[in-house]
Amino acid sequence: GAGVSQSPSNKVTEKGKDVELRCDPISGHTALYWYRQSLGQGLEFLIYFQGNSAPDKSGLPSDRFSAERTGGSVSTLTIQRTQQEDSAVYLCASSAGGFGGYTFGSGTRLTVV
Amino acid sequence: SQQGEEDPQALSIQEGENATMNCSYKTSINNLQWYRQNSGRGLVHLILIRSNEREKHSGRLRVTLDTSKKSSSLLITASRAADTASYFCATDGHSGNTPLVFGKGTRLSVIA
Repeated sequence: GAGVSQSPSNKVTEKGKDVELRCDPISGHTALYWYRQSLGQGLEFLIYFQGNSAPDKSGLPSDRFSAERTGGSVSTLTIQRTQQEDSAVYLCASSAGGFGGYTFGSGTRLTVV
Repeated sequence: SQQGEEDPQALSIQEGENATMNCSYKTSINNLQWYRQNSGRGLVHLILIRSNEREKHSGRLRVTLDTSKKSSSLLITASRAADTASYFCATDGHSGNTPLVFGKGTRLSVIA
């Protein structure tokens, strides 16, 4: 596609429920990144996929968080048993890899009530 | 961990004035990038400066990089109300296979 697409744009969920966030990167971009941003804060790195290599999961805050990237394209970030502190904007970005700039999606605003 | 730290945290100026934002980082880099974010949503890539460059221009943007001081600055000249946004610097690891590390950003308000 022309840009990075994320869905849903907003999600309200009850504490304890599981949620899935989707990211559709730019076609041909080999690298895909997930970040989250709490209100008024900077971006916190979560996970990074590069081609067929094993993902860099070093930023995932707990084992309730997981992500996969199918066919080197679409990625899903799953948060199990959501907690209120998971409330944030989850941002996905893709790049052609190497040292270039990232293209970000518009994010998913997750609110856990 | 956040390597880039922007300064100031918030900046308010009148339309037409110049805005300068600074970024400091801790470890060696391959390049440094600046991004803009409107309304807490997706970030937009503004400019990339490589570690062997000292200054770069793009329209009303001017970026400098001082690798000896591990610092960069973003200057927006002749600011407009539409420049109101948060601005983030981001640094890469030296290998190119590490994700960008973003600072906490500078919130710029341009008053018409």
